[in-house]
Amino acid sequence: NAGVMQNPRHLVRRRGQEARLRCSPMKGHSHVYWYRQLPEEGLKFMVYLQKENIIDESGMPKERFSAEFPKEGPSILRIQQVVRGDSAAYFCASSPLGQAYEQYFGPGTRLTVT
Amino acid sequence: RKEVEQDPGPFNVPEGATVAFNCTYSNSASQSFFWYRQDCRKEPKLLMSVYSSGNEDGRFTAQLNRASQYISLLIRDSKLSDSATYLCVVRDNNDMRFGAGTRLTVKP
Repeated sequence: NAGVMQNPRHLVRRRGQEARLRCSPMKGHSHVYWYRQLPEEGLKFMVYLQKENIIDESGMPKERFSAEFPKEGPSILRIQQVVRGDSAAYFCASSPLGQAYEQYFGPGTRLTVT
Repeated sequence: RKEVEQDPGPFNVPEGATVAFNCTYSNSASQSFFWYRQDCRKEPKLLMSVYSSGNEDGRFTAQLNRASQYISLLIRDSKLSDSATYLCVVRDNNDMRFGAGTRLTVKP
C-alpha cells in the first residue's frame, strides 16, 4: 500500500510565476489536508478537501492560493504569482473516510521562490 | 495565546536518559490528541495517539490532563534514533492544530 505521494519534491519558481503542487492520497483515503511549514516553524493548516469538495479553507491566504481535489486525479495546491514569502515546505496528508483524526503525511514539496 | 504551545527546546540528553515534553492547548472542547515526530527535512510521522487514561507504547508514555488542558510525552531509555522534533497535535472537529515542536537531541 503506497503512502501519500507528493510531486514535485522540489520546485523552484521565479517571483510572479505559478506553482502547482500535487498530492495523491493513500489508497482508500478520501480526505486530503494541506499544510505549510516555514523554516524553523510548525505546520500551519491551510485547507481540508474531500473529492470535489472544499470542506475547510480557513487557513488559506485569501489571494493567489487555491486548492482542488477532483473526482479523478491528485489534489492540487496552486499558488499564483509567487512571492519570496511563499518559500516553504508544503505537506499533504490524507486520512480514511470517517477517521479524520489520524493523518498520514507525504514527503512534502519544498518550494523555493527566487 | 497560541492554540497549541510547546517548549521549543532544544533538549540535549545522553543515551539512556528519561526525557519529558509538555504541551498545552487552548480549546477545552478539543477532541483528540496525538504526538508526531518529525526528522529534519522530513514529513511528520504519527508516533502515538493520546488517550484520556494515558497510554504506553514501549519506551513512550503519553498522558492527557483535560482539566489543565495539558498533554505530555515521556521517553524512557532514550536512543540516538530518538533525536527528532516532537510535535503535539490537537484535533478540533476537522482541524488538526500542530504545536511548533520540541527538538530533542540524544547524544552518545
